[in-house]
Amino acid sequence: EAGVAQSPRYKIIEKRQSVAFWCNPISGHATLYWYQQILGQGPKLLIQFQNNGVVDDSQLPKDRFSAERLKGVDSTLKIQPAKLEDSAVYLCASSSGPANTQYFGPGTRLTVL
Amino acid sequence: SQQGEEDPQALSIQEGENATMNCSYKTSINNLQWYRQNSGRGLVHLILIRSNEREKHSGRLRVTLDTSKKSSSLLITASRAADTASYFCATALSTINTGTASKLTFGTGTRLQVTL
Repeated sequence: EAGVAQSPRYKIIEKRQSVAFWCNPISGHATLYWYQQILGQGPKLLIQFQNNGVVDDSQLPKDRFSAERLKGVDSTLKIQPAKLEDSAVYLCASSSGPANTQYFGPGTRLTVL
Repeated sequence: SQQGEEDPQALSIQEGENATMNCSYKTSINNLQWYRQNSGRGLVHLILIRSNEREKHSGRLRVTLDTSKKSSSLLITASRAADTASYFCATALSTINTGTASKLTFGTGTRLQVTL
């Protein structure tokens, strides 16, 4: 069974630029999550999708972050414009249901200069 | 804010020894999960313990949960160099909308170093 795929693996941008991350969850997983992990900290949930609907985006900085999962499969997370404090690893995870084990992708390491 | 706090922040042991990590949390939970993260890699789910369980085993892993003290411990027996990683506890809270536990709140992690 293929795992959660993410791209790119690394991204370096300058502040005020835009960036987008892509995630392909495990086939058949209805629930998809985006986490932000700042160096030295645990992951923090940004947004949770159930199929193509948003379940929880309470910790998503909506003035600059957006995410979508239009067809209930792949998802993109966008930052526009980026700030220095957005430097982090962005992790995507999926599960077969909201109460089930989450499987994480390798993450995208973002560096904002 | 972080729900869980792991203790110790860092732990260094020799191969073959046991490693114990503790996690404390603040609010009522549906379940508590432990994850491992190797350097440069994603998180790997290790074990889940539900709020009505007190102890659970998986291979060399033993997890305990004390809901009265809002704490959990992860024991790794007979550690190996490959166990070197950061270990996170994550608590699952009940969500209002769905009524099922889904949102995971991670702690700050314990960095485990196993030396030969």
